[in-house]
Amino acid sequence: QSALTQPASVSGSPGQSITISCTGTSSDVGSYNLVSWYQQHPGKAPKLMIYEGSKRPSGVSNRFSGSKSGNTASLTISGLQAEDEADYYCCSYAGSSKVFGGGTKLTVL
Amino acid sequence: QVQLQESGPGLVKPSETLSLTCTVSGYSISSGYYWGWIRQPPGKGLEWIGSIYHSGSTYYNPSLKSRVTISVDTSKNQFSLKLSSVTAADTAVYYCARDSPEDSSSPDFDYWGQGTLVTVSS
Repeated sequence: QSALTQPASVSGSPGQSITISCTGTSSDVGSYNLVSWYQQHPGKAPKLMIYEGSKRPSGVSNRFSGSKSGNTASLTISGLQAEDEADYYCCSYAGSSKVFGGGTKLTVL
Repeated sequence: QVQLQESGPGLVKPSETLSLTCTVSGYSISSGYYWGWIRQPPGKGLEWIGSIYHSGSTYYNPSLKSRVTISVDTSKNQFSLKLSSVTAADTAVYYCARDSPEDSSSPDFDYWGQGTLVTVSS
């Protein structure tokens, strides 16, 4: 299985909205609405931000939202804040296995 | 509060077997959920290694399957990872995490350990 494809980097100014894409295939993202998103700050463990495509765990800000179209899942962060600067990873069920994306570095300008 | 803690050698020689244990507190492994291992080479992305249910049912990353064994010890509330025939490419921070409930295939790693760096070097 190949890693899901994410842009290496995205950036935005405080208060703006950004979207991170996660492109897979008909064997993973396209076949299941089972994509999760993780935020990782330097030196820290990843944190679950979105699960099952669009659901937010308790305690995660509603500024974070997830969606999917075809073989591509997306994470949107609205009202960017300085603390949102981190690496973001998508992960999809792929039929008896799980596959992560390569990660996207978000810079808040 | 669910907490996970990885433990094991930080240095492993090439061709040998990497062994790590994850101790879970605040939640009984036997109560449900799959439990997984994920790794992250220095400066690189995350890679799912495999997951196990308290019954012993496992599923592995196809690219690592021939070298990976994940086991569970419910009496100690622990699960373990063994990765054989390691090379420098296996150098990474290894995380354990709580995976999805039994009735879900969603990759919902909601609780993570702090991670442990394992270096493969002679």
